[in-house]
Amino acid sequence: DAMVIQNPRYQVTQFGKPVTLSCSQTLNHNVMYWYQQKSSQAPKLLFHYYDKDFNNEADTPDNFQSRRPNTSFCFLDIRSPGLGDAAMYLCATSPAGTGSYEQYFGPGTRLTVT
Amino acid sequence: AQKITQTQPGMFVQEKEAVTLDCTYDTSDPSYGLFWYKQPSSGEMIFLIYQGSYDQQNATEGRYSLNFQKARKSANLVISASQLGDSAMYFCAMRDTGRRALTFGSGTRLQVQP
Repeated sequence: DAMVIQNPRYQVTQFGKPVTLSCSQTLNHNVMYWYQQKSSQAPKLLFHYYDKDFNNEADTPDNFQSRRPNTSFCFLDIRSPGLGDAAMYLCATSPAGTGSYEQYFGPGTRLTVT
Repeated sequence: AQKITQTQPGMFVQEKEAVTLDCTYDTSDPSYGLFWYKQPSSGEMIFLIYQGSYDQQNATEGRYSLNFQKARKSANLVISASQLGDSAMYFCAMRDTGRRALTFGSGTRLQVQP
């Protein structure tokens, strides 16, 4: 089945130690998104890629970076995680356009910062 | 700017009964789409139903229906014949032509009681 895969499902990192979360998709979608979701809150968009074009949200901290080496893969890099970065990180994909296309979400990576 | 409001932080419903989850939205764009997602405790976002702003009829998907009242800017989700497996967070989301990503409401936690 076509799907969005996130690895790892659970990640523990130390304060200040760089961490990378990965996302892959078999849907061949043009657009890939990264959301941050803190406990009992709505998902908050960090950035997205339209093909190779990177689109950063204005309020996304510089501590968060992303790479998309090809259509299938997208990475979220947190350069110096703080305690406030502990959250669920959701990757999503969608076809191009802004119409009725839903976003397909991966299962998420739950990040703990110690 | 887009805004989604879900005024019910939590809802209880008896098994086999129907429940309505409220969602109001605000956008100046005449073309937009409204989405509902379910998020179980496992964390994955599951797409439920979509309504386009120009759709003449309310969307339905199995036990889910969307009560779309355009003049009131509301898009309430109705779940018929609730099941224990419906217990989850439910998010209303919107996308208009100015933005590829979804804007989410704060969510409603639904608990189905036996």
